Amino acid sequence: EPEVTQTPSHQVTQMGQEVILRCVPISNHLYFYWYRQILGQKVEFLVSFYNNEISEKSEIFDDQFSVERPDGSNFTLKIRSTKLEDSAMYFCASTGLRDRGRGYTFGSGTRLTVV
Amino acid sequence: SQQGEEDPQALSIQEGENATMNCSYKTSINNLQWYRQNSGRGLVHLILIRSNEREKHSGRLRVTLDTSKKSSSLLITASRAADTASYFCATEKWQGAQKLVFGQGTRLTINP
Repeated sequence: EPEVTQTPSHQVTQMGQEVILRCVPISNHLYFYWYRQILGQKVEFLVSFYNNEISEKSEIFDDQFSVERPDGSNFTLKIRSTKLEDSAMYFCASTGLRDRGRGYTFGSGTRLTVV
Repeated sequence: SQQGEEDPQALSIQEGENATMNCSYKTSINNLQWYRQNSGRGLVHLILIRSNEREKHSGRLRVTLDTSKKSSSLLITASRAADTASYFCATEKWQGAQKLVFGQGTRLTINP
């Protein structure tokens, strides 16, 4: 079963530092996503990426956030200057063509702790 | 907002009993999906039901969808201790970009 791989699994960073969360989506998928889940809360959409550009972003995804797919394999989320409230579990997900009757494949997540 | 509420927020039952979780949403959708999350882990896709479907089965899972009421239910039959997890419904609407919008989730505990 193909998997979405995320690294690192845990990251602790100082407030104000930049972090890059990495993901390797499933190779033949077309749509890529970042979601986050603050501890004990629901899973929130951050951004979707298709055809090498952002297709939609949420209000959470402000100027401090950026995404890249630098080499056709990796998909990264960068937070330029982390804040305490950025502490959360970040999930990468990918999916294929619409209406194939399959859901999204999520990675195991990166737990980001900002101190 | 596309998503509504799930209920109950928490459910605790005995092993062997059936567990039913409900989900409501606010706008029209293309499909509704259910995901499972073990504590602190990733989300695992369980089942997808399209907007023109009313019921779907997969193993011990049964999902219903009532688009007139904008609601769905997930039934897990003959529950096992290993079913203990959080369960989330998520709706997908193909308006421009496609994305999933998640509900609050139901925390299910199966007592042995």
